[in-house]
Amino acid sequence: QITLKESGPTLVRPTQTLTLTCTFSGYSLSTSGVGVGWIRQPPGKALEWLALIYWDDDKRYSPSLKSRLTITKDTSKKQVVLTMTTMDPVDTATYYCAHSHYYNGGYAFDVWGQGTMVIASS
Amino acid sequence: QSALTQPPSASGSPGQSVTISCTGTSSDVGGYNYVSWYQQHPGKVPKLMIYEVNKRPSGVPDRFSGSKSGNTASLTVSGLQAEDEADYYCSSYAGSNNLFVFGSGTKVTVL
Repeated sequence: QITLKESGPTLVRPTQTLTLTCTFSGYSLSTSGVGVGWIRQPPGKALEWLALIYWDDDKRYSPSLKSRLTITKDTSKKQVVLTMTTMDPVDTATYYCAHSHYYNGGYAFDVWGQGTMVIASS
Repeated sequence: QSALTQPPSASGSPGQSVTISCTGTSSDVGGYNYVSWYQQHPGKVPKLMIYEVNKRPSGVPDRFSGSKSGNTASLTVSGLQAEDEADYYCSSYAGSNNLFVFGSGTKVTVL
């Protein structure tokens, strides 16, 4: 059974850097085709894709946020970390990590974490 | 990259069908067969309902079906049930530099 869980601060100050960790189980991020992505959802608004890292360390970012994002993985710890610099109140959202498998689902997220709410406010 | 366009709302009576559209461009929806659909109940986690335009993950009822024509993808829910009342989001692959673009979301109401 695949599970993912996000962790990180609930409150960040504007201009600070946000660091979120996704800890997963039930699969290996060294398996060909597997990826872990991050998606966010501001309160009452739509989903927005942020970043994704694949088993081979290929990293992809949303063009609009690329300059602020870094995604890394620790395969042995079964963790994926997302950092977002220069936080702003508009970045207030629920942040989700999710599993993707290119060879079994293409470009889709088939299992999601519970999400973690992040508030950017002074 | 702009979000994919979805109608804000759609509704139907129990037992009826409702179809939600998702309009993009030739750079996303029209260019690839990588459209997916997610269901999200209030306060809950999104759930994958359709991937690769018309494939259903294990456990998703066959009342849910997907299709695509040109730059517009569609999700049809047949035999509407009260539990289908939720927000629905489409998503499409948009090229190697923008793997995922999501739609604006559609609230489905079961009358």
